[in-house]
Amino acid sequence: DAKTTQPNSMESNEEEPVHLPCNHSTISGTDYIHWYRQLPSQGPEYVIHGLTSNVNNRMASLAIAEDRKSSTLILHRATLRDAAVYYCILRASNYQLIWGAGTKLIIKP
Amino acid sequence: EADIYQTPRYLVIGTGKKITLECSQTMGHDKMYWYQQDPGMELHLIHYSYGVNSTEKGDLSSESTVSRIRTEHFPLTLESARPSHTSQYLCASSDGRSTGELFFGEGSRLTVL
Repeated sequence: DAKTTQPNSMESNEEEPVHLPCNHSTISGTDYIHWYRQLPSQGPEYVIHGLTSNVNNRMASLAIAEDRKSSTLILHRATLRDAAVYYCILRASNYQLIWGAGTKLIIKP
Repeated sequence: EADIYQTPRYLVIGTGKKITLECSQTMGHDKMYWYQQDPGMELHLIHYSYGVNSTEKGDLSSESTVSRIRTEHFPLTLESARPSHTSQYLCASSDGRSTGELFFGEGSRLTVL
């Protein structure tokens, strides 16, 4: 199963954009790129997903490299409530998700 | 708002006791999952189900068992709890679409003394 690599942690200032990187160099052509986040003491929450094209929704944007070996989750204006662990995950054709350790995002007021 | 519920949220129990963690969803999803997560660590899939009477073991070996008699209900049982079972257990569901997102419950934090 293809794996993802993310930085252990990142810091950002409140009200500023945040770019969370993810490497997935062994991604296959049918793997979807999913992002989830987990707030303290809660279950993970879906953020966004994509296959090849960049995607936008009310929570975030997902920029996918042309070769699909990396992607970036963009929070356009981070708030304190965005402090969480963000997981970049590949969803294979058998629908299984392989979770990594994620990136702990720290937002400074 | 996700309509998936787990009970209990917290459970402290002695070694050797039988426990059942409940998970119910009202979204009519066919696929349901149980994950185990230790503090600060990644999620590991321990069981999943693609529908009624379908259950499979996940990537992480677990002494727990599951059942899926009704679409909306996917309980997890430990026949004899041990301290090594102390962890957070997260239930999730998804619809049948190939890109369907997972909806998670709030988790059940189990402590075995």
